[in-house]
Amino acid sequence: GDSVTQMEGPVTLSEEAFLTINCTYTATGYPSLFWYVQYPGEGLQLLLKATKADDKGSNKGFEATYRKETTSFHLEKGSVQVSDSAVYFCALSESGAGGTSYGKLTFGQGTILTVHP
Amino acid sequence: NAGVTQTPKFRILKIGQSMTLQCTQDMNHNYMYWYRQDPGMGLKLIYYSVGAGITDKGEVPNGYNVSRSTTEDFPLRLELAAPSQTSVYFCASSYSLEGDYGYTFGSGTRLTVV
Repeated sequence: GDSVTQMEGPVTLSEEAFLTINCTYTATGYPSLFWYVQYPGEGLQLLLKATKADDKGSNKGFEATYRKETTSFHLEKGSVQVSDSAVYFCALSESGAGGTSYGKLTFGQGTILTVHP
Repeated sequence: NAGVTQTPKFRILKIGQSMTLQCTQDMNHNYMYWYRQDPGMGLKLIYYSVGAGITDKGEVPNGYNVSRSTTEDFPLRLELAAPSQTSVYFCASSYSLEGDYGYTFGSGTRLTVV
């Protein structure tokens, strides 16, 4: 079945540092890939997405590129802020292109990011 | 812009008690989902619905039931609560079958079974 693996956390950085959170996936078809962010006490919010190979999703300074050859979707940001402290989830959906998973998302285990001033 | 509304936000249950977690969305989304989030484990799908009157099991449906009588509402029922059901529960909805527009999540219900 489908699976998503994220790098072990937690990750602690100083403000303005470079961020990478690794994400790799296993899927039988051609999934769409997502990064969700969860701020303390809140539900998950869509951060960015990519629906096909070589697509780059971007939002709020975060970027991730859909790499089919390495089955990866690593999250990057050039300069993190204290306000980026949150839990980040990588996820995939195999509903497109004839899939039958009805939009169901498969999530990674989440990576806690803490940014210090 | 209410989005997805979940109630209650917190609840403590005793073993064997029952309760219903409420979920309402006002975006006219056909697709709705219930997930549970356990520490360090990501989110696991409990049940989902592709429209009013249609529901199906996800990865971890045991101990739960759902109904979908209207497009807006998708309540999750816990019968005979057990400590293993201590978790944070999230309801979500989606515009498209492919999920390409992403989900809209509620703010969650933190449930403790003692």
